[in-house]
Amino acid sequence: NAGVTQTPKFRVLKTGQSMTLLCAQDMNHEYMYWYRQDPGMGLRLIHYSVGEGTTAKGEVPDGYNVSRLKKQNFLLGLESAAPSQTSVYFCASSSPPLNAELFFGEGSRLTVL
Amino acid sequence: AQSVSQHNHHVILSEAASLELGCNYSYGGTVNLFWYVQYPGQHLQLLLKYFSGDPLVKGIKGFEAEFIKSKFSFNLRKPSVQWSDTAEYFCAVNARNSGGYQKVTFGIGTKLQVIP
Repeated sequence: NAGVTQTPKFRVLKTGQSMTLLCAQDMNHEYMYWYRQDPGMGLRLIHYSVGEGTTAKGEVPDGYNVSRLKKQNFLLGLESAAPSQTSVYFCASSSPPLNAELFFGEGSRLTVL
Repeated sequence: AQSVSQHNHHVILSEAASLELGCNYSYGGTVNLFWYVQYPGQHLQLLLKYFSGDPLVKGIKGFEAEFIKSKFSFNLRKPSVQWSDTAEYFCAVNARNSGGYQKVTFGIGTKLQVIP
């Protein structure tokens, strides 16, 4: 079972470069999320999507853009990377009921020099 | 806006000691509460959840949590920890935001280190 797959798993960027993180889920989940995890700050929600073609801002959306063109994919883009975006990024997906758990990907470690 | 507070950021215990990790949330409506665990180098996995019924819920690996509505709390407990419980533990709340969509908010996490 693939579940939630993130690519790439590691990436090093120079300040100002752009990149896209891809999240793919095969569970037909409606909701998808992008979080970043930083030491001492837990998981912070960047953007989320409640369905194909919809996106919404989370707690820390600045510097990121997202797209959900297909139900199974949720892309996170950095147009001009900054050192403050060095982090581990986790994608997650879930179904609509509030009691449904989130299923997480393995994470993508991004370093911006 | 919903928020989650975890009181203990770093806990060190010896094997067989009892564990209690505090979690308080802030939200006025109906919520669903979760504890997730992240083992070193891995992604988050569900430990247990509460959405209705018995406020004492049991999860995997001997963990349990008690929902106390009057205190807005959902503390995690385990009677006797093992070295393999060394991990980071996250409390989370899932509630509907003003747009009617569900939104999951996490606490900052508690790192548990169990000493053999």
